[in-house]
Amino acid sequence: GAGVSQSPSNKVTEKGKDVELRCDPISGHTALYWYRQSLGQGLEFLIYFQGNSAPDKSGLPSDRFSAERTGGSVSTLTIQRTQQEDSAVYLCASSSRIVGTGELFFGEGSRLTVL
Amino acid sequence: AQKVTQAQTEISVVEKEDVTLDCVYETRDTTYYLFWYKQPPSGELVFLIRRNSFDEQNEISGRYSWNFQKSTSSFNFTITASQVVDSAVYFCALSENAGGTSYGKLTFGQGTILTVHP
Repeated sequence: GAGVSQSPSNKVTEKGKDVELRCDPISGHTALYWYRQSLGQGLEFLIYFQGNSAPDKSGLPSDRFSAERTGGSVSTLTIQRTQQEDSAVYLCASSSRIVGTGELFFGEGSRLTVL
Repeated sequence: AQKVTQAQTEISVVEKEDVTLDCVYETRDTTYYLFWYKQPPSGELVFLIRRNSFDEQNEISGRYSWNFQKSTSSFNFTITASQVVDSAVYFCALSENAGGTSYGKLTFGQGTILTVHP
C-alpha cells in the first residue's frame, strides 16, 4: 500500500510477556519514528531512525524497550517483560527529507493492552 | 525544553459555526517548526500544516486557516463553517530545526477534541 503499515492492529498480552510490533514505512522514506499515545501521557516520541545513522533512542522509557530497523525499511519495536503501564497505542511514522517538506506520515497504530 | 499547550481539552459546536483551536508553545530555539495534525476516529494522524519560525504569514486552505504569532508564541487554527466530518482530535506540535528541514522528533500538545453536531 501507499501508506505506513503497522501490525498487529491490536495486541492483548499478559504482564511479563514480550511483544513485538512491526512497522512498514512508505517506500523510499529514509526516516522512521516510533511514538506512543496513552491517556495519561499523550503523544510521546520514542525512537528515530534516519538512514544508516545511529538511532536517536532518547525517548525510550526504559531498557525493556528496543527497536531495530532492518535494511533501512521495516522496523520492529520490542517491549520485554511488559507492564500494565505499557498499555498504549504505538504509532509509527515515516518521512522523507529529500522529497516534500519533511512532515511525518503516520500509520494507524498498534493498540497494546497488558493485562 | 520544548512544550506545547493546548488549553482547550474539548470543544463542542454546531455545524456551520466557526471554531478556533488554540496552541501556545515554548522553545529556546530560534528556528523551529510548528505543525497541526488531525486524528479522526480511525486513529491515523493526518498532517494538516507545517510552519517554520521565520514565516509568520497566515495561511488559508479552504475552510482551514492558521494564525502564527511569534510575539505571543501562538499558532492557532480556525475552521470556518464547521462540518460533522471535522469531528476529530486536533494536535499542535513543535519540532527542532535540523539543517533547514524539520526534524520529526515532535513535541505534541495534549490535543483538543472537537465535536461538531449536525
